[in-house]
Amino acid sequence: QKEVEQDPGPLSVPEGAIVSLNCTYSNSAFQYFMWYRQYSRKGPELLMYTYSSGNKEDGRFTAQVDKSSKYISLFIRDSQPSDSATYLCATFSNTDKLIFGTGTRLQVFP
Amino acid sequence: DTEVTQTPKHLVMGMTNKKSLKCEQHMGHRAMYWYKQKAKKPPELMFVYSYEKLSINESVPSRFSPECPNSSLLNLHLHALQPEDSALYLCASSQDRTDYGYTFGSGTRLTVV
Repeated sequence: QKEVEQDPGPLSVPEGAIVSLNCTYSNSAFQYFMWYRQYSRKGPELLMYTYSSGNKEDGRFTAQVDKSSKYISLFIRDSQPSDSATYLCATFSNTDKLIFGTGTRLQVFP
Repeated sequence: DTEVTQTPKHLVMGMTNKKSLKCEQHMGHRAMYWYKQKAKKPPELMFVYSYEKLSINESVPSRFSPECPNSSLLNLHLHALQPEDSALYLCASSQDRTDYGYTFGSGTRLTVV
């Protein structure tokens, strides 16, 4: 079982839609969770991080962690074409290595 | 300066060539990383440097040789690569090994012919 699993998509939505991106993880000891956005031919860019359970909001983005079900989510409200990218969830392993999910490709069409 | 700068952006090399990738940051970060990313796959960790010392080598073949000459600079020396080594090579840095906020460069797109 992979440590972090993510639906690769692609996910195609109209502009203005609410997008839900999801990951599951295998180890209940994981505590920090990150979402990175990667545009084509660019490096990943840290969008949000969360620690433990709960929600964290930043503008149109909300990160959510449910530790009881080992489920992490990123919600994008009022999605824009500029949000079209690959979204990678990530966490730190027990040996402090940053490990990524497979990434979900998102396309927002006008 | 809040960037990680990687050069060159693109590199084509033959299987007998020797080349180097360069990564630079001036954010005072003391941890630096090399990742390899194949198309439509997530980045995979190759090497970790902490305070200029190699702390993790993820069983990377010896044809990849990392070097950290100082706290701002990270190199990846390449020699006798194979076509399957063609990928996007990403450098990242963070305050230290426990910092969750990695800053990634834009990568070097390497093609081995």
